[in-house]
Amino acid sequence: AQSVTQLDSHVSVSEGTPVLLRCNYSSSYSPSLFWYVQHPNKGLQLLLKYTSAATLVKGINGFEAEFKKSETSFHLTKPSAHMSDAAEYFCVVSGFSGGYNKLIFGAGTRLAVHP
Amino acid sequence: DAGVIQSPRHEVTEMGQEVTLRCKPISGHNSLFWYRQTMMRGLELLIYFNNNVPIDDSGMPEDRFSAKMPNASFSTLKIQPSEPRDSAVYFCASSFSTTTGNEQFFGPGTRLTVL
Repeated sequence: AQSVTQLDSHVSVSEGTPVLLRCNYSSSYSPSLFWYVQHPNKGLQLLLKYTSAATLVKGINGFEAEFKKSETSFHLTKPSAHMSDAAEYFCVVSGFSGGYNKLIFGAGTRLAVHP
Repeated sequence: DAGVIQSPRHEVTEMGQEVTLRCKPISGHNSLFWYRQTMMRGLELLIYFNNNVPIDDSGMPEDRFSAKMPNASFSTLKIQPSEPRDSAVYFCASSFSTTTGNEQFFGPGTRLTVL
């Protein structure tokens, strides 16, 4: 079975400093992995996805994530935080269950950005 | 494309009333999902349709909940009778198949409050 664990429920950074949101996954086969972002009172928006191509994936708004099979990790990073990055971030793995590929969501990490 | 469209955006109702949530998926997508998001339980998949046919309704909490997809461009989620514990944000998402690696596109959600 597939699962995903987001290691921090809350992360707080200062504007202009790096962002690191940590995610570990469990999968019995080569997974597809995603990061979604949810701004307050909004729907979820795809930031980036990994589907067994390049292990370093670049997404929107300067975010990127690196797939590390040996560590079963897919951490999300950004070199310099902006106030508009404050949101909730979900790490997601695509898992085959019940006859189809469903998205399995982590519990989320709330990112706060301070001036 | 307008993205996934949901209506209403906010719904306040009294316990015992019928509630109907509506969703228009992205044109050309053949997979549609209904999710519920609460602070306590995070994001939960309620039901999945493929080509307008319900494939997985194992997440539907109880018989008070029902969902339909009469055609490729419209789906409803109905709660009858509603209860205060149904208060949550309900998201509709669509995708072009559930092949691994295919992301889901989320609507803005309907915030339901049952008094």
